[in-house]
Amino acid sequence: KAGVTQTPRYLIKTRGQQVTLSCSPISGHRSVSWYQQTPGQGLQFLFEYFSETQRNKGNFPGRFSGRQFSNSRSEMNVSTLELGDSALYLCASSFKGPLSEQYFGPGTRLTVT
Amino acid sequence: GESVGLHLPTLSVQEGDNSIINCAYSNSASDYFIWYKQESGKGPQFIIDIRSNMDKRQGQRVTVLLNKTVKHLSLQIAATQPGDSAVYFCAETGAGGTSYGKLTFGQGTILTVHP
Repeated sequence: KAGVTQTPRYLIKTRGQQVTLSCSPISGHRSVSWYQQTPGQGLQFLFEYFSETQRNKGNFPGRFSGRQFSNSRSEMNVSTLELGDSALYLCASSFKGPLSEQYFGPGTRLTVT
Repeated sequence: GESVGLHLPTLSVQEGDNSIINCAYSNSASDYFIWYKQESGKGPQFIIDIRSNMDKRQGQRVTVLLNKTVKHLSLQIAATQPGDSAVYFCAETGAGGTSYGKLTFGQGTILTVHP
């Protein structure tokens, strides 16, 4: 069974631009969560989607948004990029969400210049 | 202002030794705990999990211990190998509501295994 895939793997953007990252979960998994990983803050939860509905959201500004499609694939968007948005963005999929294993993708390394 | 980088705890062991990595969690309502391993350039990899109604669970070469009284979690790795060198994270979550799909991660511990 294929693992979680994320595209692109690396991205360089300029301040003020916007970016869209994509995540394809493991086949059969309906829950997708997104995390931001930085050296300063560690791994922080962004949001979680299940069956195209956002069920939970972390403490990030409204510039961070996401969505999930009927095939469970998910995208996250960051608008008006700031230097501090440079991070590794990870998505994780699980069969149903709470109390079930989350499997992570390799991440998208975003650099904002 | 400028954010301060996390200073991760480090553990350095010799190949063949047993390793113990510790984690303190804060949410007494957490129901489910997971240990992840993250190698450089990769996403976190699931190692082992434990539910709050258990205090010990064993896998292949790994054991997780949960002490809910003091909110402490540990990961024991037997016969540590150089390939075990990585950053190890504990993570916790609850049963629902504000916990849906949300893992709260510890800061991580850097494990270095010397041949």
